[in-house]
Amino acid sequence: DIVVTQSPDSLAVSLGERATINCKSSQSVLYNSNNKNYLAWYQQKPGQPPKLLIYWASTRESGVPDRFSGSGSGTDFTLTISSLQAEDVAVYYCQQFYSTPIFTFGPGTKVDIK
Amino acid sequence: QLQLQESGPGLVKPSETLSLTCTVSGGSISIDNHYWGWIRQPPGKGPEWIGSIYYSGTPYYNPSLKSRVTISIATSKNQFSLKLTSMTAADTAVYYCARRGAAAGGLSIGAFDIWGQGTMVTVSS
Repeated sequence: DIVVTQSPDSLAVSLGERATINCKSSQSVLYNSNNKNYLAWYQQKPGQPPKLLIYWASTRESGVPDRFSGSGSGTDFTLTISSLQAEDVAVYYCQQFYSTPIFTFGPGTKVDIK
Repeated sequence: QLQLQESGPGLVKPSETLSLTCTVSGGSISIDNHYWGWIRQPPGKGPEWIGSIYYSGTPYYNPSLKSRVTISIATSKNQFSLKLTSMTAADTAVYYCARRGAAAGGLSIGAFDIWGQGTMVTVSS
């Protein structure tokens, strides 16, 4: 089974500064057949369902602000918030889909304002 | 726009079976390339995928829950359902239904793009 880990567990960033979250998969999530990394990022605020931000490791979901970006390939991935806004305070999860059709979520990273 | 809504009991006794239904509105459940799934999230923890189903009826389950889970779909009602047997306190969680998205051309995005608001299920006598 693919195991997904995230780091750090939490971070506090000043408004307008960059926030970086890492996600690591125990096996590559790159499909050679279509060159897609099946790694997604979600944002979850209290009392709400997760909201999809990024899929295929770097494709931004429609309507997601461009301060959110995803990068990485294979087993190591990063979510970057280029200029943290107050409304970005949330828990962020990565999720893999390589072991079709099984999904695995990471443990989450809590982002707060410093 | 497409919306999903979970319904079912908020309290289940230990050893009993949980039955939840997800009603899809604003669009058809019988749409090519989209799977429908159940995900749960225990209090203070990350989400856990339970299983998914296609409109043609083939379900896929999390191996850790497979012996206790049944997911079915009723296309005429635009609904899909979850049954989880032998409930214990460890099954206490918010249960979400969600759609696995697809890009133009039908390629799976491998992620859940539309979610219901979730329903809290507590297992207690």
